[in-house]
Amino acid sequence: AQSVTQLGSHVSVSEGALVLLRCNYSSSVPPYLFWYVQYPNQGLQLLLKYTSAATLVKGINGFEAEFKKSETSFHLTKPSAHMRDAAEYFCAVYEAAGNKLTFGGGTRVLVKP
Amino acid sequence: DGGITQSPKYLFRKEGQNVTLSCEQNLNHDAMYWYRQDPGQGLRLIYYSQIVNDFQKGDIAEGYSVSREKKESFPLTVTSAQKNPTAFYLCASSIKRANRNRNQPQHFGDGTRLSIL
Repeated sequence: AQSVTQLGSHVSVSEGALVLLRCNYSSSVPPYLFWYVQYPNQGLQLLLKYTSAATLVKGINGFEAEFKKSETSFHLTKPSAHMRDAAEYFCAVYEAAGNKLTFGGGTRVLVKP
Repeated sequence: DGGITQSPKYLFRKEGQNVTLSCEQNLNHDAMYWYRQDPGQGLRLIYYSQIVNDFQKGDIAEGYSVSREKKESFPLTVTSAQKNPTAFYLCASSIKRANRNRNQPQHFGDGTRLSIL
């Protein structure tokens, strides 16, 4: 089975500062990776997905993620945090066996004014 | 607009009672999923279904049951055997992936928050 590890369950950043959320995966085959965002009491929204076409993936709301096979990582970044970025972020990897996603534990982002 | 509708948004269960959470999608997706979310534990898969009249247990199926009689609907029943049902429940759907479209995401509903009275 594949697994996803998100380092840091909570991250606090100042408004305007860099946001960096870490995601490492384990996969024996080329992975299909996703980042989702969850606002309080809502479902998950897709931020971006890795399609193997490019290692740097741009998503919505100014986020991007870089796939690094040598490091088995897919870290999410945003150059300048905004108050509306306060949410929980989940990294996920697709598992062909069962046609399902395995999620990391999530990272909650707090943005300080 | 196409999407996934979960109802109710809030649900309360009495001791010994079964409750059913509704999930309906009009995205024409074959696959549907139920997740449980607890604070600090991410999403855990309860049940999933790839096709009508078929479903599989996920990682935490004990105390839950599902049915998939229609493509659009995948209700989840939290039975009295589930001793700690208080959580946020999320339903999702996706197309049935083949090799060429494994990067298709899951789409999520807005969740149902279940609490014990």
